[in-house]
Amino acid sequence: GENVEQHPSTLSVQEGDSAVIKCTYSDSASNYFPWYKQELGKRPQLIIDIRSNVGEKKDQRIAVTLNKTAKHFSLHITETQPEDSAVYFCAASYPNDYKLSFGAGTTVTVRA
Amino acid sequence: GAVVSQHPSWVICKSGTSVKIECRSLDFQATTMFWYRQFPKQSLMLMATSNEGSKATYEQGVEKDKFLINHASLTLSTLTVTSAHPEDSSFYICSASRAGLAGANHNEQFFGPGTRLTVL
Repeated sequence: GENVEQHPSTLSVQEGDSAVIKCTYSDSASNYFPWYKQELGKRPQLIIDIRSNVGEKKDQRIAVTLNKTAKHFSLHITETQPEDSAVYFCAASYPNDYKLSFGAGTTVTVRA
Repeated sequence: GAVVSQHPSWVICKSGTSVKIECRSLDFQATTMFWYRQFPKQSLMLMATSNEGSKATYEQGVEKDKFLINHASLTLSTLTVTSAHPEDSSFYICSASRAGLAGANHNEQFFGPGTRLTVL
């Protein structure tokens, strides 16, 4: 099955700086890569996603890049704010069974 | 749109009892629902995939007789933890997908708020 690795496990940034989280996946057939933000005790919230036919996608302060050849994708958060503090998960999905394989998560702390 | 609810939001039960968790898609038809388990400070682990009107598909290592899944309609799936033990204490989250429906983003999953299960 698909194996998704995520780094780093923790990330502390100063407010206003950028945060970058990287994920790699193992199965070249995966074609959908969402990123989720999860606050303690809450449901994961989709913040951005990208499909395999696109190399980059941006939504205000959040961007995701995908390198299909290297099988890795990254989340970029610019101008970080304290409310960006949360656990972020990357995931990868196959085209046929729609199952999501999650990375281990990154705990992001934005220091005021 | 695309709201998923779960009930109950938390439950405490005694060891040996069974607990049923409901997952409902409130404003769309969910052809597929997924059940995840999340231990503290860990990632979401897929337990099973539930398709309406058919048997659930369980991930390797998940006991189907212990975690009973029923997906009787396009808006409701249930997970029953049978003979619960303290090691079953976890955060259980469902998600719903519109995969298979015309015009839907087949990959996107909509998550429920989760159910915190504590087994004493």
